[in-house]
Amino acid sequence: NAGVTQTPKFQVLKTGQSMTLQCAQDMNHNSMYWYRQDPGMGLRLIYYSASEGTTDKGEVPNGYNVSRLNKREFSLRLESAAPSQTSVYFCASSVRTGDFNYGYTFGSGTRLTVV
Amino acid sequence: AQSVTQPDIHITVSEGASLELRCNYSYGATPYLFWYVQSPGQGLQLLLKYFSGDTLVQGIKGFEAEFKRSQSSFNLRKPSVHWSDAAEYFCAANMEYGNKLVFGAGTILRVKS
Repeated sequence: NAGVTQTPKFQVLKTGQSMTLQCAQDMNHNSMYWYRQDPGMGLRLIYYSASEGTTDKGEVPNGYNVSRLNKREFSLRLESAAPSQTSVYFCASSVRTGDFNYGYTFGSGTRLTVV
Repeated sequence: AQSVTQPDIHITVSEGASLELRCNYSYGATPYLFWYVQSPGQGLQLLLKYFSGDTLVQGIKGFEAEFKRSQSSFNLRKPSVHWSDAAEYFCAANMEYGNKLVFGAGTILRVKS
């Protein structure tokens, strides 16, 4: 099925461990995003990639790095996990043409717990 | 600052009753507007979107939304709520050159039988 695929769906890390969240889309979208969702705080943008070969910081980039591997894949890396990074992480993709964004397609999320 | 506001954090309605979820945006022009729904433990699903033209837009699952330029609003409505509509609803807008949506904080809908 066409869409956005995130792996893993669940992960428990110890403080200081590293990990990479994977995201892939098969809709030929040019833009991709990583958000985190925390209770009462809505969705906060971590990083985004407007097009292949470009990445930019969002609202809460500290403690994260990203790689736009190709047009399909956009990974999020936690180099040294902290309990404050316990969250649900969503990847999204979209078509961007001209001035505007035509709406996101979201993955099903990764539930990360850092102990 | 450009922003999207959902004034209601929680709303409880009876099954079969009508529903209206409020959304306001702060922007000098007309943005592209979206409503998403998130069921517990799931990702976000697009309900409907407004780009231009007819200000009343129809979406999936029997939802509709009306854009009112004079009120900078894009409220979501449903004539008769079903128990399966219990979820969190997010309003979002694309308000600047570029490709990022700005999301509201969300409204949690509870449906009582």
